[in-house]
Amino acid sequence: ETGVTQTPRHLVMGMTNKKSLKCEQHLGHNAMYWYKQSAKKPLELMFVYSLEERVENNSVPSRFSPECPNSSHLFLHLHTLQPEDSALYLCASSQEPAGGPNTGELFFGEGSRLTVL
Amino acid sequence: AQSVTQLGSHVSVSEGALVLLRCNYSSSVPPYLFWYVQYPNQGLQLLLKYTSAATLVKGINGFEAEFKKSETSFHLTKPSAHMSDAAEYFCAVSRMDSSYKLIFGSGTRLLVRP
Repeated sequence: ETGVTQTPRHLVMGMTNKKSLKCEQHLGHNAMYWYKQSAKKPLELMFVYSLEERVENNSVPSRFSPECPNSSHLFLHLHTLQPEDSALYLCASSQEPAGGPNTGELFFGEGSRLTVL
Repeated sequence: AQSVTQLGSHVSVSEGALVLLRCNYSSSVPPYLFWYVQYPNQGLQLLLKYTSAATLVKGINGFEAEFKKSETSFHLTKPSAHMSDAAEYFCAVSRMDSSYKLIFGSGTRLLVRP
């Protein structure tokens, strides 16, 4: 496996379900991200983890709960979602420290397409 | 605060024609600027980036972009469009000290007509 792998690629869930999205990076990076991509909206940064510590949390509703057990894995736990949460959820990774030559260079997975009924 | 504006949510060109995708940025500090591409059913992929070295930046697949400070622009060009270039293109700006502050534009979908 190479790059950034996301599973599942597609997920349909009811508003009362609990599910999780998984991301795994094989690039040796030390920072991981969750982005939300909705139709006709700019990419929204949800969470950032650096060295397994959360460094960004952009006012995301508590029904989204991230988990980063190690620098290679990132989860997004989903609970009692709303239909407006239907979107493509993208995971990304990068190599930090901040200000290094790779600043802003993110490597993305193919995304998990979530549909909330 | 930083922001990017991409002019035109859709751009349509004929195969072989010039591709021009526009991006203007706003930044109170010297920016890093990026173009990312998203092919159908895929994640984003870095196309090229400007990090205060050469103002003309060459990327993958024959694309290039020029940083113009006086115009606060970073437009993406390709001399001759190919059918495989059909995708969505995102301009992004970042502060030099953090990838966490990468700000994406709303994207431009490039359509290539045969």
